[in-house]
Amino acid sequence: AQSVTQLGSHVSVSEGALVLLRCNYSSSVPPYLFWYVQYPNQGLQLLLKYTTGATLVKGINGFEAEFKKSETSFHLTKPSAHMSDAAEYFCAVSDRKTGRRALTFGSGTRLQVQP
Amino acid sequence: DTEVTQTPKHLVMGMTNKKSLKCEQHMGHRAMYWYKQKAKKPPELMFVYSYEKLSINESVPSRFSPECPNSSLLNLHLHALQPEDSALYLCASSQDVDREINIQYFGAGTRLSVL
Repeated sequence: AQSVTQLGSHVSVSEGALVLLRCNYSSSVPPYLFWYVQYPNQGLQLLLKYTTGATLVKGINGFEAEFKKSETSFHLTKPSAHMSDAAEYFCAVSDRKTGRRALTFGSGTRLQVQP
Repeated sequence: DTEVTQTPKHLVMGMTNKKSLKCEQHMGHRAMYWYKQKAKKPPELMFVYSYEKLSINESVPSRFSPECPNSSLLNLHLHALQPEDSALYLCASSQDVDREINIQYFGAGTRLSVL
């Protein structure tokens, strides 16, 4: 069974600083990879996804992530944090096998942005 | 339009009550999902409907009863719930559960409190 690990349940950065949220997956076959963001009292919004092709993926709100097969990682970055980025971020994987494409989520990372 | 609408936004019920959660999408998606999210935890899959048929039930207690009356609507009927069932219930939809790249779109959720 595939799984996803997010290192660091809380990350705090200063406004304008680099944001780095870590995600590692465990699967013999690289799964499809997603980052979702959840603002307080809201549902999940897709930030970006990796399926095939270019390993550096750009998403909304200035976020990007790089798929590294050798490291089984899909870390999320943003060059300059904004106060509005404060939220919970979930890395998720989806099996490439048919019939089982529901998402498996990591435990989440809460991003705090300090003024 | 990538909107998934969930009603009600908040629900308080007693352990003997019967209530229903509703989810609606008009994106022509043929897969719909129910997730349960406890505080500070990732969403956990409960049910998956594919072409209005239940395809995945993640061993959810029978006090939760899903229903998919048509391709746009998904209900979750609640009966004799326990206080530990208090959580945020998220609905999601995607084009097709067997589609190569299965992007799920989430609603804002129903926050349920069981007294």
